[in-house]
Amino acid sequence: AQSVTQPDIHITVSEGASLELRCNYSYGATPYLFWYVQSPGQGLQLLLKYFSGDTLVQGIKGFEAEFKRSQSSFNLRKPSVHWSDAAEYFCAVGVQGAQKLVFGQGTRLTINP
Amino acid sequence: DTAVSQTPKYLVTQMGNDKSIKCEQNLGHDTMYWYKQDSKKFLKIMFSYNNKELIINETVPNRFSPKSPDKAHLNLHINSLELGDSAVYFCASSPTPTANTEAFFGQGTRLTVV
Repeated sequence: AQSVTQPDIHITVSEGASLELRCNYSYGATPYLFWYVQSPGQGLQLLLKYFSGDTLVQGIKGFEAEFKRSQSSFNLRKPSVHWSDAAEYFCAVGVQGAQKLVFGQGTRLTINP
Repeated sequence: DTAVSQTPKYLVTQMGNDKSIKCEQNLGHDTMYWYKQDSKKFLKIMFSYNNKELIINETVPNRFSPKSPDKAHLNLHINSLELGDSAVYFCASSPTPTANTEAFFGQGTRLTVV
């Protein structure tokens, strides 16, 4: 069965520091991968997605993610975080055939001033 | 204009009651979804509709009945509410029902059953 694992439930970084959020997936075919962000009391907003091609994808708000097939990973990175980046981050895989998104359990990001 | 809008944003109700959550999208998308987010923030799909037709029903109790009067609307009716139904319910839409399509989410409805 398809699954997504985000090993870190909660991460705290200082403002201006770099960030990496981990995501591992289990999926038999070529995955369609997504990162969404959920700010408090809000819905989910797409940060970036990977379907094929260049394995380093750029997203909004200065985020990027790298697809590594050998490691079944799609980690999210940002060189310098801002206080406004504090939110919940979700990695998801699009399941072909079932036509749905399967989400990881999310990583809560806290920013220290 | 809000792309995907849900009402109400908050809903507090007693066990055994029946309630509905409404969702509308103005993006012209063919596909709409209901997701449930539990207290641990885990998000799971419940239903998916494409052009008013049900295409995904993820082993949800039959107390939950989605209805899509047209492709811009997908409502969720819940009968005989239970404590375990307390969660945040998200409506979403996408242009097509394919796995490589971005989903656009509403702000969520926080349902509390007391």
